[in-house]
Amino acid sequence: NAGVTQTPKFRILKIGQSMTLQCAQDMNHNYMYWYRQDPGMGLKLIYYSVGAGITDKGEVPNGYNVSRSTTEDFPLRLELAAPSQTSVYFCASSQEAVQETQYFGPGTRLLVL
Amino acid sequence: DAKTTQPPSMDCAEGRAANLPCNHSTISGNEYVYWYRQIHSQGPQYIIHGLKNNETNEMASLIITEDRKSSTLILPHATLRDTAVYYCIVRVEGAAGNKLTFGGGTRVLVKP
Repeated sequence: NAGVTQTPKFRILKIGQSMTLQCAQDMNHNYMYWYRQDPGMGLKLIYYSVGAGITDKGEVPNGYNVSRSTTEDFPLRLELAAPSQTSVYFCASSQEAVQETQYFGPGTRLLVL
Repeated sequence: DAKTTQPPSMDCAEGRAANLPCNHSTISGNEYVYWYRQIHSQGPQYIIHGLKNNETNEMASLIITEDRKSSTLILPHATLRDTAVYYCIVRVEGAAGNKLTFGGGTRVLVKP
């Protein structure tokens, strides 16, 4: 199993550009999450999904969109990138269970200039 | 989810046990204690979790006080690769989204 994979690893965007951060998992997990982590800070939840076709907002959803057309993939879309979106983005997944743990991808480092 | 309090940093000698404390005095009866760690530039990694009883796995042990208001993560034989930020999190199982609320964590530096 590859676990949770994310692409790209690093990207520089200009203000106003858009991009999609890719996330895929091969563990057949129902739950998937997008977090962002600013320097020296903890993780903040952007969006999450409890299954294909179902998504919901987290703590900091503004400026982002997600979709979940398959169990495996959970892309995060940035429209009109802003410097405030400079961060490291982590995707995670978990199995719907009583005592579940989250498995994280390696992260995408995004710089908006 | 209940708030947790952890020391911001601690050092540990290689080969010795590292004891990481966490206070969660407002924890509810149905909230579990989770520990994750984040090695520099990597995604967080699950370590261990528990409700009431002490737990042990191949990575660590978790000691939860009888009143559940605090816990200690024990790394029995710290190695240089255990240098990371360790997060103590309490949350209810089955809550919508099951999101993890990360606080500041404890930055652990294992020294040779």
